[in-house]
Amino acid sequence: RKEVEQDPGPFNVPEGATVAFNCTYSNSASQSFFWYRQDCRKEPKLLMSVYSSGNEDGRFTAQLNRASQYISLLIRDSKLSDSATYLCVVNWGFVDSGAGSYQLTFGKGTKLSVIP
Amino acid sequence: EPEVTQTPSHQVTQMGQEVILRCVPISNHLYFYWYRQILGQKVEFLVSFYNNEISEKSEIFDDQFSVERPDGSNFTLKIRSTKLEDSAMYFCASSRRRDFTAHEQYFGPGTRLTVT
Repeated sequence: RKEVEQDPGPFNVPEGATVAFNCTYSNSASQSFFWYRQDCRKEPKLLMSVYSSGNEDGRFTAQLNRASQYISLLIRDSKLSDSATYLCVVNWGFVDSGAGSYQLTFGKGTKLSVIP
Repeated sequence: EPEVTQTPSHQVTQMGQEVILRCVPISNHLYFYWYRQILGQKVEFLVSFYNNEISEKSEIFDDQFSVERPDGSNFTLKIRSTKLEDSAMYFCASSRRRDFTAHEQYFGPGTRLTVT
């Protein structure tokens, strides 16, 4: 069974804090990894793809550890506008039969509230 | 910035009725998807579509569901005979290509389907 597990949250942090989200996935053959954010009753919005070498975009840093099947997202200097649910998302890539699979599998998300 | 659009934003229907949810993917994207999110639960994959045919579908996507690209811009999801448990937010998504180095899917704002 292909699962994506995240910290249940919620995280309540003051403005300016650094916050880390963790995620584990069950299938070592997974190909692509993403962080999305979702505001209440809105669509998931792509925050960043996660590459094997790790990547950074401004205040956001994503890391991937394939050996541990672990993904992380770090937000530095958090802003009020960062308040949202953060979704860890995995694409499993090729299934055992060799057919390509492009569906995304979502974690349940971790809710972040940044407090003034 | 190009966006995926969806109509209607909210659809209320009676059990047993047919509904059609409409999506306009990003114009240079070739791969299209439907996902759903039941209130309080995770986003779930329904179906992917490429080159005018279904490329993958989940267990949720049973015979009551169908997808179509009736013209060069629209992508539709039809539910033939709605059930109470079909009440959810339905998201359309699109991606430009499917290779695993850049399989990024962009989501529309969703259609909230309420079955009474």
